Amino acid sequence: AQRVTQPEKLLSVFKGAPVELKCNYSYSGSPELFWYVQYSRQRLQLLLRHISRESIKGFTADLNKGETSFHLKKPFAQEEDSAMYYCALPPPEGQNFVFGPGTRLSVLP
Amino acid sequence: GAGVSQSPSNKVTEKGKDVELRCDPISGHTALYWYRQSLGQGLEFLIYFQGNSAPDKSGLPSDRFSAERTGGSVSTLTIQRTQQEDSAVYLCASSDYRGLIYEQYFGPGTRLTVT
Repeated sequence: AQRVTQPEKLLSVFKGAPVELKCNYSYSGSPELFWYVQYSRQRLQLLLRHISRESIKGFTADLNKGETSFHLKKPFAQEEDSAMYYCALPPPEGQNFVFGPGTRLSVLP
Repeated sequence: GAGVSQSPSNKVTEKGKDVELRCDPISGHTALYWYRQSLGQGLEFLIYFQGNSAPDKSGLPSDRFSAERTGGSVSTLTIQRTQQEDSAVYLCASSDYRGLIYEQYFGPGTRLTVT
């Protein structure tokens, strides 16, 4: 069965420090992974997706099939990056998304 | 264009009462999802509708929970005989399924408080 794990429930870093939010998955096939973000008092929204290979708000994520990981990275964290981050995996049948448990990122001044 | 909307934004109800939560998806989106987000917790999948197919109800926590989607558009999540553990934010999302490449658009959520 498809599964997504995010080992850190809470991650605190100082402003300007690098940040890496971990995501590991189990999947039989070629996955298309997503990162979603929820800022305080805002709705959950897509941050970036693997297939578009883009950098959004300075964040990037590389799919590592050997390690079955899709870690989210940013070289210099900003206070406005403080939010809840979810890694997500759509199953091959195009049915329900599988979300990880989420990591709350806190960027300290 | 208009995004996913949910109503009410907040609902306070007494234990044992029934509640209905409404979701208006983005027009034309064939897929609709309900999730629950409890305080400090992640997303808990509840139910999924895709077109005219039978819904995936595998995430509904008990038979007190049910959902309908009328005319392939608006959806209503009903919780009967509410319990305090039902208190959470209920999120709705819709997506336009095109093979594997699609994303979910989320509504603002309904915060349910059972007293």
